[in-house]
Amino acid sequence: SQQGEEDPQALSIQEGENATMNCSYKTSINNLQWYRQNSGRGLVHLILIRSNEREKHSGRLRVTLDTSKKSSSLLITASRAADTASYFCATDAFTSYDKVIFGPGTSLSVIP
Amino acid sequence: DVKVTQSSRYLVKRTGEKVFLECVQDMDHENMFWYRQDPGLGLRLIYFSYDVKMKEKGDIPEGYSVSREKKERFSLILESASTNQTSMYLCASSSSSLPETQYFGPGTRLLVL
Repeated sequence: SQQGEEDPQALSIQEGENATMNCSYKTSINNLQWYRQNSGRGLVHLILIRSNEREKHSGRLRVTLDTSKKSSSLLITASRAADTASYFCATDAFTSYDKVIFGPGTSLSVIP
Repeated sequence: DVKVTQSSRYLVKRTGEKVFLECVQDMDHENMFWYRQDPGLGLRLIYFSYDVKMKEKGDIPEGYSVSREKKERFSLILESASTNQTSMYLCASSSSSLPETQYFGPGTRLLVL
């Protein structure tokens, strides 16, 4: 069953602009993660935010988590063409901590 | 750096063939996973394993089996390939000390004719 749902499904921006992607989920979580996937490749882990955290930064990435709304956002600042990829949120399956459930992803295109 | 490798990047098989997809990780991770990825459906968990010789069904295990004879290697087996198993297959691993973070291989794109 799908836990996380990203929004929008696709996003196209100009290089230098900021990109914001959102993730909504259905049940309580211990943590939420964001992954990136370049075309035809495996996923790469970007950042993990725990349920007791509200915001986390890593380089040009900023992740927020609102557990009351069951939602998270990923902000990429000053985007580059190399940021073109699909981005997935993933939540832990609350009953089984070793599993994660991935959303369908947001496809980001950064136009040079 | 964690490295997860998959035996093939691209594979073409015929309906009814037995297909083996191999995955090897070099970080002594306890947990290993097999997903398939299809457009619009995201990643779906097929099987996972917490330890050698242990396996657990994921969300879509039908038509698949797995083998974990060694800690570093997790194999996905399609007993009799069908066209609806054409997909991208992704292997991942994680440690029991930080199970939430999974490390992925590059994927195998399988085409079943």
